[in-house]
Amino acid sequence: DAMVIQNPRYQVTQFGKPVTLSCSQTLNHNVMYWYQQKSSQAPKLLFHYYDKDFNNEADTPDNFQSRRPNTSFCFLDIRSPGLGDAAMYLCATSRPGLYQPQHFGDGTRLSIL
Amino acid sequence: QQQVKQSPQSLIVQKGGISIINCAYENTAFDYFPWYQQFPGKGPALLIAIRPDVSEKKEGRFTISFNKSAKQFSLHIMDSQPGDSATYFCAATTEGNEKLTFGTGTRLTIIP
Repeated sequence: DAMVIQNPRYQVTQFGKPVTLSCSQTLNHNVMYWYQQKSSQAPKLLFHYYDKDFNNEADTPDNFQSRRPNTSFCFLDIRSPGLGDAAMYLCATSRPGLYQPQHFGDGTRLSIL
Repeated sequence: QQQVKQSPQSLIVQKGGISIINCAYENTAFDYFPWYQQFPGKGPALLIAIRPDVSEKKEGRFTISFNKSAKQFSLHIMDSQPGDSATYFCAATTEGNEKLTFGTGTRLTIIP
């Protein structure tokens, strides 16, 4: 039944070691988002795709990259994770348009050793 | 101008009571106001949403009140239950923009 699936649920990586988080969706939504959420904070948008059109937030560090090879899958690559990148990473999808809700996955909790 | 201010940061309500969370915004271009509910270890889920052409929307025990002139909106949870204990985020967005501007969140705890 899960519609936005994130893998893995927990990821541990070493300081500076590249890591990839994945997201898949069964909703066939055009728009996919990646958020970073730190403890007791609101989700912070990193970037989003409208189909293959990539939209980066101005304050997203260059260390964060993304790929969307097809409608169903989207990846978040962190090239050189620092201690400050430890967070929950949330993927969401939506149809385009004003009144379309975003559907979130349950996130990947990333820890940096 | 893009911010959405949310209060209180945390809220404790007795079972059966009314929980009220408030949000305020500056950007008059915002024209869709959803509320998301997030349980620990889960992603946010849409709870209820309102458009600015109505002053109130009710779904079960959850009601959004919207005051366009004051640029404020609030979530009321009637007959609050322990299962409502979660973090609630208000949000806002504008036409033609898929991005949400989130409030800072309210951690709600319902005690027996």
